[in-house]
Amino acid sequence: SQQGEEDPQALSIQEGENATMNCSYKTSINNLQWYRQNSGRGLVHLILIRSNEREKHSGRLRVTLDTSKKSSSLLITASRAADTASYFCATDASGGSYIPTFGRGTSLIVHP
Amino acid sequence: EAGVAQSPRYKIIEKRQSVAFWCNPISGHATLYWYQQILGQGPKLLIQFQNNGVVDDSQLPKDRFSAERLKGVDSTLKIQPAKLEDSAVYLCASSLEAGGEQYFGPGTRLTVT
Repeated sequence: SQQGEEDPQALSIQEGENATMNCSYKTSINNLQWYRQNSGRGLVHLILIRSNEREKHSGRLRVTLDTSKKSSSLLITASRAADTASYFCATDASGGSYIPTFGRGTSLIVHP
Repeated sequence: EAGVAQSPRYKIIEKRQSVAFWCNPISGHATLYWYQQILGQGPKLLIQFQNNGVVDDSQLPKDRFSAERLKGVDSTLKIQPAKLEDSAVYLCASSLEAGGEQYFGPGTRLTVT
């Protein structure tokens, strides 16, 4: 079963615009991670945010986490054609097991 | 730092045949994961190892799939016998510790005809 679900399923924007995708999950978590997958580089880790954190930044990426709403968002600012990829959130349910569950992903297309 | 290695990269077999995939994680990574990714979906965890012990294999179809991680390093995933619905990309990943950042290999694309 899918713990995290990304929204929207697909997103198409122009280069230079910002892209926002969301992840909702069902049960309490330890961590939430965002990954990117494209045909050239496979699955690559972007950011890990812990349940006691609310916001993290990495370059043009900004991730927020709202544990009360069981949701997270990934913002990519000033998007580039190279950001075209599928983006997945992965959560692991709270407790000691740290077993990850991926969502179905958001497909982002950035037009040059 | 060398990444996660997987082989083969591609495999085509007929249904009812058997197949094995190999994974060499990043040196020092205690946690190893095998995922199945069907086109258009997210990776689905099949089995998670911590060193050479199994942490979770609740989604592994144990009547046909098996996996082992000898000596807590390399791992193999086997399917016997394969079904058409096993056609997917099989991804191996490793992390320094459970819950940490995962590093993925390039995957093995399996086609069952």
